[in-house]
Amino acid sequence: AQSVTQLDSHVSVSEGTPVLLRCNYSSSYSPSLFWYVQHPNKGLQLLLKYTSAATLVKGINGFEAEFKKSETSFHLTKPSAHMSDAAEYFCVVRGDTGGGNKLTFGTGTQLKVEL
Amino acid sequence: KAGVTQTPRYLIKTRGQQVTLSCSPISGHRSVSWYQQTPGQGLQFLFEYFSETQRNKGNFPGRFSGRQFSNSRSEMNVSTLELGDSALYLCASSKGSPDTQYFGPGTRLTVL
Repeated sequence: AQSVTQLDSHVSVSEGTPVLLRCNYSSSYSPSLFWYVQHPNKGLQLLLKYTSAATLVKGINGFEAEFKKSETSFHLTKPSAHMSDAAEYFCVVRGDTGGGNKLTFGTGTQLKVEL
Repeated sequence: KAGVTQTPRYLIKTRGQQVTLSCSPISGHRSVSWYQQTPGQGLQFLFEYFSETQRNKGNFPGRFSGRQFSNSRSEMNVSTLELGDSALYLCASSKGSPDTQYFGPGTRLTVL
Protein backbone atom coordinates (compact mmCIF):
# COMPACT_ATOMS: atom_id res chain seq x y z
CA ALA A 1 0.00 0.00 0.00
CA GLN A 2 1.10 3.51 -0.70
CA SER A 3 1.45 6.13 2.00
CA VAL A 4 2.87 9.57 2.71
CA THR A 5 4.31 10.92 5.94
CA GLN A 6 4.38 14.62 6.68
CA LEU A 7 7.22 15.12 9.09
CA ASP A 8 5.97 18.29 10.76
CA SER A 9 2.45 18.93 12.01
CA HIS A 10 3.16 22.65 12.52
CA VAL A 11 5.66 25.00 10.88
CA SER A 12 6.07 28.64 11.79
CA VAL A 13 8.02 31.15 9.65
CA SER A 14 8.39 34.89 9.43
CA GLU A 15 7.03 36.74 6.43
CA GLY A 16 9.68 36.99 3.73
CA THR A 17 11.65 33.92 4.91
CA PRO A 18 11.80 30.54 3.12
CA VAL A 19 9.23 27.82 3.64
CA LEU A 20 10.05 24.11 3.81
CA LEU A 21 7.31 21.53 4.35
CA ARG A 22 8.61 17.97 4.44
CA CYS A 23 6.99 14.86 3.01
CA ASN A 24 8.25 11.29 2.61
CA TYR A 25 6.42 8.71 0.58
CA SER A 26 6.23 4.96 0.44
CA SER A 27 5.30 3.25 -2.80
CA SER A 28 6.08 -0.01 -4.51
CA TYR A 29 6.18 1.70 -7.89
CA SER A 30 6.71 5.18 -9.31
CA PRO A 31 4.09 7.29 -7.57
CA SER A 32 2.00 10.27 -8.58
CA LEU A 33 2.42 12.87 -5.86
CA PHE A 34 0.58 16.08 -5.12
CA TRP A 35 0.53 18.97 -2.72
CA TYR A 36 -2.82 20.51 -1.86
CA VAL A 37 -3.53 23.53 0.34
CA GLN A 38 -6.59 24.14 2.48
CA HIS A 39 -7.43 27.57 3.82
CA PRO A 40 -9.79 27.77 6.81
CA ASN A 41 -13.32 26.62 6.01
CA LYS A 42 -12.43 26.03 2.37
CA GLY A 43 -11.97 23.06 0.08
CA LEU A 44 -8.63 21.81 -1.18
CA GLN A 45 -6.67 23.68 -3.83
CA LEU A 46 -4.07 21.94 -5.99
CA LEU A 47 -0.62 23.51 -5.59
CA LEU A 48 1.41 21.19 -7.79
CA LYS A 49 1.77 17.62 -9.02
CA TYR A 50 4.49 15.14 -9.92
CA THR A 51 3.64 12.45 -12.44
CA SER A 52 7.06 11.05 -13.47
CA ALA A 53 8.10 13.89 -15.76
CA ALA A 54 10.55 16.54 -14.44
CA THR A 55 11.68 15.91 -10.88
CA LEU A 56 11.53 19.62 -9.99
CA VAL A 57 7.91 20.68 -10.16
CA LYS A 58 6.74 24.27 -10.12
CA GLY A 59 3.31 25.13 -8.82
CA ILE A 60 1.12 28.10 -8.16
CA ASN A 61 1.93 31.07 -5.91
CA GLY A 62 5.69 30.50 -6.09
CA PHE A 63 5.69 27.00 -4.57
CA GLU A 64 7.82 24.18 -5.92
CA ALA A 65 8.67 20.62 -4.92
CA GLU A 66 11.46 18.22 -5.81
CA PHE A 67 10.90 14.49 -6.25
CA LYS A 68 13.91 12.59 -4.86
CA LYS A 69 13.61 8.88 -5.42
CA SER A 70 16.79 8.03 -3.50
CA GLU A 71 15.40 9.77 -0.41
CA THR A 72 11.72 8.91 -1.08
CA SER A 73 10.93 12.56 -0.46
CA PHE A 74 8.74 15.23 -2.04
CA HIS A 75 9.36 18.36 0.02
CA LEU A 76 7.47 21.59 -0.69
CA THR A 77 9.39 24.87 -0.72
CA LYS A 78 8.84 28.56 -1.33
CA PRO A 79 11.62 31.16 -1.30
CA SER A 80 9.68 33.87 0.52
CA ALA A 81 6.59 33.37 2.69
CA HIS A 82 3.62 35.67 2.49
CA MET A 83 0.92 36.15 5.09
CA SER A 84 -1.61 34.69 2.67
CA ASP A 85 0.32 31.38 2.68
CA ALA A 86 -0.93 30.61 6.19
CA ALA A 87 -3.01 27.46 5.74
CA GLU A 88 -2.88 23.68 6.06
CA TYR A 89 -0.86 21.78 3.47
CA PHE A 90 -1.37 18.16 2.49
CA CYS A 91 1.06 15.85 0.74
CA VAL A 92 -0.88 13.27 -1.26
CA VAL A 93 -0.14 10.09 -3.20
CA ARG A 94 -2.50 8.70 -5.79
CA GLY A 95 -3.63 5.28 -6.67
CA ASP A 96 -2.88 1.71 -5.89
CA THR A 97 -2.27 -1.33 -7.97
CA GLY A 98 -5.88 -1.19 -9.12
CA GLY A 99 -5.46 2.25 -10.67
CA GLY A 100 -8.16 4.86 -10.44
CA ASN A 101 -8.28 8.10 -8.53
CA LYS A 102 -7.93 7.02 -4.91
CA LEU A 103 -5.88 9.64 -3.06
CA THR A 104 -4.08 8.90 0.19
CA PHE A 105 -3.44 12.01 2.26
CA GLY A 106 -0.78 12.85 4.77
CA THR A 107 -1.82 14.17 8.15
CA GLY A 108 -1.24 17.76 7.13
CA THR A 109 1.17 20.55 8.08
CA GLN A 110 -0.24 23.74 9.52
CA LEU A 111 1.81 26.67 8.25
CA LYS A 112 1.84 29.82 10.37
CA VAL A 113 3.32 33.02 8.93
CA GLU A 114 4.25 35.74 11.37
CA LEU A 115 5.03 39.39 10.75
CA LYS B 1 -15.02 27.43 -16.34
CA ALA B 2 -17.07 26.80 -13.22
CA GLY B 3 -15.47 24.72 -10.51
CA VAL B 4 -16.83 21.77 -8.57
CA THR B 5 -20.00 22.66 -6.71
CA GLN B 6 -21.44 20.91 -3.70
CA THR B 7 -24.85 21.29 -2.15
CA PRO B 8 -25.85 21.91 0.49
CA ARG B 9 -22.88 23.62 2.12
CA TYR B 10 -24.10 22.96 5.65
CA LEU B 11 -26.40 20.32 7.11
CA ILE B 12 -27.57 19.48 10.59
CA LYS B 13 -29.14 16.08 11.17
CA THR B 14 -29.95 13.89 14.15
CA ARG B 15 -28.78 10.37 14.86
CA GLY B 16 -30.64 7.71 12.91
CA GLN B 17 -31.61 9.98 10.05
CA GLN B 18 -30.26 9.70 6.55
CA VAL B 19 -28.71 12.38 4.36
CA THR B 20 -27.96 12.94 0.68
CA LEU B 21 -25.16 15.19 -0.52
CA SER B 22 -24.80 16.36 -4.08
CA CYS B 23 -21.76 17.13 -6.23
CA SER B 24 -21.63 18.72 -9.69
CA PRO B 25 -18.24 18.20 -11.37
CA ILE B 26 -16.38 20.56 -13.65
CA SER B 27 -17.88 20.48 -17.13
CA GLY B 28 -16.37 17.65 -19.15
CA HIS B 29 -15.14 15.73 -16.12
CA ARG B 30 -16.30 12.13 -15.92
CA SER B 31 -14.82 11.03 -12.61
CA VAL B 32 -16.15 12.06 -9.21
CA SER B 33 -14.57 11.00 -5.93
CA TRP B 34 -15.75 11.56 -2.37
CA TYR B 35 -13.65 12.11 0.75
CA GLN B 36 -14.43 12.51 4.43
CA GLN B 37 -12.42 14.94 6.55
CA THR B 38 -12.49 14.76 10.36
CA PRO B 39 -10.08 16.12 12.98
CA GLY B 40 -9.37 12.62 14.27
CA GLN B 41 -9.03 10.60 11.07
CA GLY B 42 -7.95 13.30 8.64
CA LEU B 43 -8.88 12.97 4.98
CA GLN B 44 -10.12 9.55 3.93
CA PHE B 45 -11.24 8.25 0.55
CA LEU B 46 -14.86 7.09 0.38
CA PHE B 47 -15.41 6.08 -3.24
CA GLU B 48 -14.93 7.04 -6.88
CA TYR B 49 -17.41 6.97 -9.72
CA PHE B 50 -16.39 7.03 -13.36
CA SER B 51 -18.93 6.99 -16.18
CA GLU B 52 -21.68 5.98 -13.76
CA THR B 53 -19.74 2.98 -12.39
CA GLN B 54 -18.13 2.73 -8.98
CA ARG B 55 -14.45 2.32 -9.68
CA ASN B 56 -12.93 2.35 -6.21
CA LYS B 57 -14.23 2.07 -2.68
CA GLY B 58 -12.61 3.02 0.60
CA ASN B 59 -12.90 1.31 3.93
CA PHE B 60 -16.26 2.63 5.10
CA PRO B 61 -19.38 0.75 6.23
CA GLY B 62 -22.22 0.01 3.86
CA ARG B 63 -24.21 2.93 5.32
CA PHE B 64 -22.17 5.09 2.97
CA SER B 65 -23.24 4.78 -0.63
CA GLY B 66 -23.13 6.81 -3.78
CA ARG B 67 -24.15 7.01 -7.36
CA GLN B 68 -23.37 8.93 -10.50
CA PHE B 69 -25.78 10.11 -13.13
CA SER B 70 -25.36 10.26 -16.90
CA ASN B 71 -24.45 13.97 -16.69
CA SER B 72 -21.61 13.02 -14.27
CA ARG B 73 -23.29 14.62 -11.26
CA SER B 74 -22.92 12.48 -8.19
CA GLU B 75 -24.77 11.98 -4.95
CA MET B 76 -23.58 10.47 -1.72
CA ASN B 77 -25.97 8.98 0.80
CA VAL B 78 -25.39 8.16 4.44
CA SER B 79 -28.08 6.15 6.19
CA THR B 80 -28.66 5.69 9.92
CA LEU B 81 -26.45 8.61 10.85
CA GLU B 82 -24.09 8.32 13.81
CA LEU B 83 -22.42 11.08 15.79
CA GLY B 84 -19.10 10.04 14.28
CA ASP B 85 -20.35 10.86 10.80
CA SER B 86 -20.02 14.55 11.60
CA ALA B 87 -17.42 15.73 9.12
CA LEU B 88 -16.59 17.83 6.11
CA TYR B 89 -17.45 15.82 3.00
CA LEU B 90 -15.40 16.80 -0.03
CA CYS B 91 -16.07 15.95 -3.62
CA ALA B 92 -13.41 16.01 -6.32
CA SER B 93 -13.69 15.69 -10.07
CA SER B 94 -11.28 14.84 -12.86
CA LYS B 95 -11.45 14.34 -16.61
CA GLY B 96 -10.28 10.78 -16.52
CA SER B 97 -9.26 8.08 -14.09
CA PRO B 98 -6.54 8.29 -13.03
CA ASP B 99 -6.15 12.03 -13.49
CA THR B 100 -5.61 15.21 -11.51
CA GLN B 101 -8.50 15.92 -9.16
CA TYR B 102 -10.07 19.29 -8.35
CA PHE B 103 -12.00 19.72 -5.15
CA GLY B 104 -15.25 21.43 -4.29
CA PRO B 105 -15.78 23.56 -1.16
CA GLY B 106 -17.30 20.67 0.79
CA THR B 107 -20.47 19.99 2.74
CA ARG B 108 -20.23 20.38 6.49
CA LEU B 109 -22.43 17.71 8.12
CA THR B 110 -23.22 17.92 11.81
CA VAL B 111 -24.98 15.00 13.48
CA LEU B 112 -26.65 15.74 16.82
